[in-house]
Amino acid sequence: DTEVTQTPKHLVMGMTNKKSLKCEQHMGHRAMYWYKQKAKKPPELMFVYSYEKLSINESVPSRFSPECPNSSLLNLHLHALQPEDSALYLCASSPTDRRGEKLFFGSGTQLSVL
Amino acid sequence: AQSVTQLDSHVSVSEGTPVLLRCNYSSSYSPSLFWYVQHPNKGLQLLLKYTSAATLVKGINGFEAEFKKSETSFHLTKPSAHMSDAAEYFCVVSEAGTASKLTFGTGTRLQVML
Repeated sequence: DTEVTQTPKHLVMGMTNKKSLKCEQHMGHRAMYWYKQKAKKPPELMFVYSYEKLSINESVPSRFSPECPNSSLLNLHLHALQPEDSALYLCASSPTDRRGEKLFFGSGTQLSVL
Repeated sequence: AQSVTQLDSHVSVSEGTPVLLRCNYSSSYSPSLFWYVQHPNKGLQLLLKYTSAATLVKGINGFEAEFKKSETSFHLTKPSAHMSDAAEYFCVVSEAGTASKLTFGTGTRLQVML
């Protein structure tokens, strides 16, 4: 199994809603990532977990809250989002977070905030 | 500080003709360089990577790239384009020490015409 699975594929939410994005991999990878990608732009790193511990937070607003319950799962909890948060949210994993590692990306969750 | 410049935002080729997507990098360290491809509404897939081994790197789907230190370039080529190659291509450089700190180029959209 060389897949990173993200659910849901599409999500529409209001600014007062609370929702969660889920990401799962069964490759034994110990580094997992959340990226945000706006239309026609490159992905931007949000968070990195290494061995289930948050290692990088790229100054992301607190309305985005990551969680890594175990080595296979990564969640992104969303609360009180703004319309400008609408984007494709990509999860990725790699065996470790050493330089040169290949990242495996999921297909993403297309989020629309109304 | 590291950076990567993709010289063309859009490239259009005819099916069966060669593909050239250009990338120049700037890095203080011996870089790790990658090419990722993204099909519409999909995650990113690694095409190939350079990590200071052979300067000519072969990837998937017939793509290859040559690392030229003197020109600080890492151009992506394919001898014969196929319709399925139409996608967004990102050149990526990895900062020394960690896979987390990837710097993405702005992307090149490849269009393949019949």
